[in-house]
Amino acid sequence: AQKITQTQPGMFVQEKEAVTLDCTYDTSDPSYGLFWYKQPSSGEMIFLIYQGSYDQQNATEGRYSLNFQKARKSANLVISASQLGDSAMYFCAMRERDFNKFYFGSGTKLNVKP
Amino acid sequence: NAGVTQTPKFRVLKTGQSMTLLCAQDMNHEYMYWYRQDPGMGLRLIHYSVGEGTTAKGEVPDGYNVSRLKKQNFLLGLESAAPSQTSVYFCASSYSMVGYGYTFGSGTRLTVV
Repeated sequence: AQKITQTQPGMFVQEKEAVTLDCTYDTSDPSYGLFWYKQPSSGEMIFLIYQGSYDQQNATEGRYSLNFQKARKSANLVISASQLGDSAMYFCAMRERDFNKFYFGSGTKLNVKP
Repeated sequence: NAGVTQTPKFRVLKTGQSMTLLCAQDMNHEYMYWYRQDPGMGLRLIHYSVGEGTTAKGEVPDGYNVSRLKKQNFLLGLESAAPSQTSVYFCASSYSMVGYGYTFGSGTRLTVV
């Protein structure tokens, strides 16, 4: 089974609108971390936001927030007030207590339209 | 600046040539990783290391070798390059805790002709 599933290969959003990028995960480990990374066309991988499995509140970092629904095993990224510079590929990832490696989703390519 | 440094950034190889990609981190991270990224296939783990002197195979290790003689460096070698190894290679490092993410290098774009 896929550990991380991102079902939206591509999305469009109008500038200044909010957008939600979906991510579901699969784990039986009670302790895990969820991460989102941004990869612009320049290619580097940029860390955006982290949510721990025991965190009671949803993580927020500026315009980014993580909508964490533990029972549904979903960790959707919400970008508020989209900007043209948000156009990029976005990856959801998970790390379990067997923390030798991350599990990455296949990514969602976001295009922000002016 | 603290972080993960990959060299080189770009390289073109002929089939059968060898090369080494260097990854250096100055954050005292225990764990280091090599990934390749191909269109439509996401990030795939090649090899990783959980500490100085240790290495382990990832998802797609064939055709690659690695070494971690010093904690801060993780080398990826291609002994006999093949066109199928054309890819973007990322190095990453991390602490050995579930709450820590990766710090990625800027990537190496390798083309094998």
